[in-house]
Amino acid sequence: DAKTTQPPSMDCAEGRAANLPCNHSTISGNEYVYWYRQIHSQGPQYIIHGLKNNETNEMASLIITEDRKSSTLILPHATLRDTAVYYCIVRVSTDSWGKFQFGAGTQVVVTP
Amino acid sequence: DAGITQSPRHKVTETGTPVTLRCHQTENHRYMYWYRQDPGHGLRLIHYSYGVKDTDKGEVSDGYSVSRSKTEDFLLTLESATSSQTSVYFCAIRMASGGLPGDEQFFGPGTRLTVL
Repeated sequence: DAKTTQPPSMDCAEGRAANLPCNHSTISGNEYVYWYRQIHSQGPQYIIHGLKNNETNEMASLIITEDRKSSTLILPHATLRDTAVYYCIVRVSTDSWGKFQFGAGTQVVVTP
Repeated sequence: DAGITQSPRHKVTETGTPVTLRCHQTENHRYMYWYRQDPGHGLRLIHYSYGVKDTDKGEVSDGYSVSRSKTEDFLLTLESATSSQTSVYFCAIRMASGGLPGDEQFFGPGTRLTVL
């Protein structure tokens, strides 16, 4: 599976959009981009995933560049409850066992 | 929460004692996983299961064994606990069935284990 690079931390003002970058320059054609987050002391929570098209759900939007070497997770209106560690993961779609490799992630702090 | 519970939620034990952690799910999912989380290492996969009596090793399986005799229960055993196994342990299930891409995992609340 391709390796991902994320900034270790970022701050965001409450009510503003939070844009979380992820670099995955070695991604291959059959690898999906997944985003999870982990609020302190809880289990990780699935947010969104995509292959090459932009995706949106009730939690966030995922923008994947045309060359697929990077992506951005957008939380459109950050709230204090969005303070968490956010993980960007790439995974081969043919990995039928569904194993995920989590990196260090980005610690996002949403401030009032 | 996808019907996942873990027990116990907290445990303190001594070096050399056996410890068993239980993950229980109520929705008949085929795939289950055990991870550990430590500062500086993120989440690491210990073992996983793709059905009753079907299990395989993850990246940090040394010192751990698992069993799955029923679909709903996935047990993680530390045969002889060591201080290096002090960690937070998360169980996860996979919602999709079969080998379809694009599936996601849902995690339990975690078990905090301290080995003295």
